[in-house]
Amino acid sequence: SFVLTQPPSVSVAPGQTARITCEENTIGRKSVHWYQQKPGQAPVMVVYDDSDRPSGIPERFSGSNSGNTATLTIGRVEAGDEADYYCQVWDNIDLEVTFGGGTKLTVL
Amino acid sequence: QVQLQESGPGLVKPSQTLSLTCTVSGDSISRGAHYWNWIRQPPGKGLEWMGYIYYNGKTHYNPSLQSRASISVDTSRNQVSLQMTSVTAADTAVYYCATTPLAMATVRHAFDIWGQGTMVTVSS
Repeated sequence: SFVLTQPPSVSVAPGQTARITCEENTIGRKSVHWYQQKPGQAPVMVVYDDSDRPSGIPERFSGSNSGNTATLTIGRVEAGDEADYYCQVWDNIDLEVTFGGGTKLTVL
Repeated sequence: QVQLQESGPGLVKPSQTLSLTCTVSGDSISRGAHYWNWIRQPPGKGLEWMGYIYYNGKTHYNPSLQSRASISVDTSRNQVSLQMTSVTAADTAVYYCATTPLAMATVRHAFDIWGQGTMVTVSS
């Protein structure tokens, strides 16, 4: 198994762009998925397969993945984006799911 | 649209077996369009995938659970169940049921639909 490393917290002012990273040596060769979890609620998928958005997710949410870093980018951040964000991959060698430790996004 | 509802006892004693059910609506498990997963989250902590099952009974588990977890499916009731033996306080968590579309299962394995979760406390 491997470890996905996320920063514990990211802060951004409303209207600015937030970038949340997920690091692992070989992550650029994997499909990365991102989830948003607001307090007391279940996670919601916001990006899958590195950069695709499920229906209903605003275009402000985008993703990229290269080398050893995957990034979730949230443009024109709103107060309602304040949440924990988790990256996730499927390990096709050990055949298991790995989540990152999560990043708390604070909107200042 | 698939909807998931977890249910089960909120309190389990140490060393006993935890049993939870995920009731599926909006689709038939037998249609085979999804894999069905259990994921848990201890209070204040991150997410841990526990395992999945397909409609035909095919399962796969997180090795870290050391064979304590067992997932089953009842297609007649359109339900997926989780049993976890020999629980300890470390198993206290919110337990979620979540789906993976068939096209992604075991290849990219994302979770597109989640239930609201059910809190289980392990305490005497």
